[in-house]
Amino acid sequence: GAGVSQSPSNKVTEKGKDVELRCDPISGHTALYWYRQSLGQGLEFLIYFQGNSAPDKSGLPSDRFSAERTGGSVSTLTIQRTQQEDSAVYLCASNPPGDYSGNTIYFGEGSWLTVV
Amino acid sequence: GDSVTQMEGPVTLSEEAFLTINCTYTATGYPSLFWYVQYPGEGLQLLLKATKADDKGSNKGFEATYRKETTSFHLEKGSVQVSDSAVYFCALGTSGTYKYIFGTGTRLKVLA
Repeated sequence: GAGVSQSPSNKVTEKGKDVELRCDPISGHTALYWYRQSLGQGLEFLIYFQGNSAPDKSGLPSDRFSAERTGGSVSTLTIQRTQQEDSAVYLCASNPPGDYSGNTIYFGEGSWLTVV
Repeated sequence: GDSVTQMEGPVTLSEEAFLTINCTYTATGYPSLFWYVQYPGEGLQLLLKATKADDKGSNKGFEATYRKETTSFHLEKGSVQVSDSAVYFCALGTSGTYKYIFGTGTRLKVLA
C-alpha cells in the first residue's frame, strides 16, 4: 500500500488477555518504529527495527511487551496479560534507508487499545 | 540525553489570528528538526522540517526556522484557519542514530 498500515484500528480487550497489533510499513522502508501515545501524553518510543533485528528494545515498558518483524516487512507488537495502564494508541512508523536524521518518518493511523 | 520541549496547550485562537507554538531542544551532534501534525482521528504526518542551522521549513502557510543559537524551532502561521485545528508535535532526529524524539504535543483549536 501507499502508506503505513496498522490493524486493528480499535481493540477493546479484557484485563489479563493478550493482544497483537500489526504494522505493515511502506514498501522498501528498512526502519520500523513503534511508539505509544497515551491520553494527554507525548509519543513514547517503544522499539526500533532495522530489517528484522531490533537494536534497541529499551523503550518496551515491561517484559509483557514484545515485538517481532519478519521478512523485513510486517511487524507485530504483542502485549501479554494486558493491564488498564496499557490503554493507549500504539503508533507504527517507518522510514527508508539512508541518513536517518533528516529522513521523514511516516506514521500509520494507529491502533487504539482499550483495556477494560 | 536529547530532548524536545514544547509549549503546553491547548491553544485557542480565532480564525485569522497569528499562531506561534514554541519548541526548544537539547541535543548532542547536529539534529534535524521536524513539526508533525495530527488531525482528529488521523495519524501523524509531516508538516515541515529543517535539516541544518538557519534553514527554514515551510508548508501550508506554516513556517519554522532552525535556530542553533537559541536551540529553537518555533512554529508560526500568519493567519490560522478552522481546518488547522489539530495537535502539533515538535521532533528531532540526530545523525548517526535512529531515534526520533518527540515533544508532548500542543493542541490547537481555531474558532470561526
